[in-house]
Amino acid sequence: DSGVTQTPKHLITATGQRVTLRCSPRSGDLSVYWYQQSLDQGLQFLIQYYNGEERAKGNILERFSAQQFPDLHSELNLSSLELGDSALYFCASSVASGQGHSGNTIYFGEGSWLTVV
Amino acid sequence: DQQVKQNSPSLSVQEGRISILNCDYTNSMFDYFLWYKKYPAEGPTFLISISSIKDKNEDGRFTVFLNKSAKHLSLHIVPSQPGDSAVYFCAASQNYGQNFVFGPGTRLSVLP
Repeated sequence: DSGVTQTPKHLITATGQRVTLRCSPRSGDLSVYWYQQSLDQGLQFLIQYYNGEERAKGNILERFSAQQFPDLHSELNLSSLELGDSALYFCASSVASGQGHSGNTIYFGEGSWLTVV
Repeated sequence: DQQVKQNSPSLSVQEGRISILNCDYTNSMFDYFLWYKKYPAEGPTFLISISSIKDKNEDGRFTVFLNKSAKHLSLHIVPSQPGDSAVYFCAASQNYGQNFVFGPGTRLSVLP
C-alpha cells in the first residue's frame, strides 16, 4: 500500500459527460501528479500540483482540468468525454517538487479505471 | 517526440539468470532517474533511483547503472525470480524530481 488513495476505482460513463477523479496523497506529501495510461501505452504525464499551486503541465487536454485543495487532496476533472479518453488515470504524490541530490520519489495510487461508452 | 525510450517492449529471462532492462533519454537536462515495476491492475511501485552525480546504485537484487555521456541507464536484476515478471518503467526528471517523464515500459517475463 503506497498510501496514495484514489476514488473511484472504476467508472463507466457516456460520451459527452463529465467526471471527477479524486486523489488523497500520502500523509505529509505536498506534491500531487496525474498520469494517464491508455491500453498498452506508457504513462503520460498530465499535470503536477505542489502545495495548491500548479507546478508543471504535460499533455493535458483543454477539456481536462485539475486542482489541489488546501487539505492537499486533488481532483482531476474530465469533461466532454470521448471514447478515446478511456484509460487508467493514476495519481502520484511526493514530499516535494524536487530537492537536491537526494532526489524526489513519487508514489502511485492504484488508479481509476475510466471507461467511456 | 519521446524523451525517454525503452526500445525493448518485452524480455524473457530464465529464473536465476540476470535480467537487463535498458532505457535511453534525449534530454540532457534530466538529472534524476527512477525505475518502477507494475503488475496488471495495480499502480506502479517504486524500485530504485539514481541521481546524475552517481553512475551506480544498488539495492538488494536491483542495480541501476547510469551512463550520462551516452544518455543511457539500465536496470539489472540478479538473480531473476518469477515474481519479478511485470512491466518495468524507466522515468526521468529535471531538478531532481520535477515533472517526471516515463518511458513506454518493458514487459519482463521470468520463466521458471
